[in-house]
Amino acid sequence: GENVEQHPSTLSVQEGDSAVIKCTYSDSASNYFPWYKQELGKRPQLIIDIRSNVGEKKDQRIAVTLNKTAKHFSLHITETQPEDSAVYFCAAILNYGQNFVFGPGTRLSVLP
Amino acid sequence: SAVISQKPSRDICQRGTSLTIQCQVDSQVTMMFWYRQQPGQSLTLIATANQGSEATYESGFVIDKFPISRPNLTFSTLTVSNMSPEDSSIYLCSVEYGGLRAGELFFGEGSRLTVL
Repeated sequence: GENVEQHPSTLSVQEGDSAVIKCTYSDSASNYFPWYKQELGKRPQLIIDIRSNVGEKKDQRIAVTLNKTAKHFSLHITETQPEDSAVYFCAAILNYGQNFVFGPGTRLSVLP
Repeated sequence: SAVISQKPSRDICQRGTSLTIQCQVDSQVTMMFWYRQQPGQSLTLIATANQGSEATYESGFVIDKFPISRPNLTFSTLTVSNMSPEDSSIYLCSVEYGGLRAGELFFGEGSRLTVL
């Protein structure tokens, strides 16, 4: 089955700097790659996603890139702010209705 | 996005007892799931709740321990049976829409269980 790795496990950046989180997946047939943000004590929420027919997607300060050949995708956050501090989970999915395989998570701390 | 209500939001339970968690969605959805999130860990799928039939369990999870009901397209329950301290976790209900939103998971607020 699918296996998703995520790095780093923790990341501290200064406010205003950029943050990059990387994930690799094992099943080349996976075609949907979402990123979820979970603030302390709250539910995970989808912040951005990318499908396999796209190489990059951007939404304001966040972007996701996908390299299907290398089987990895990355989350980029620019101009980080304290409210970006959270745990971020990547996931890979093969088809609608199938099991989302989540990465182990990255705890991002944005220092003021 | 979906409004997903879970209850209880938290509970403290005694070893050996069982607790049922309810999940109510404000609209009909095809796919409903139950996840477990152990302290400081990622999200692990327990099972897919199938409307009108038995749930589909992931490896490591069994119906006797985590019985699930889904009587209609907006409601599901998860029971954690014969609890032990190792069952202390956050349990999350989630739904997935099809069509243009296929693949997007929406989560309930979670039910934080502490087993003493």
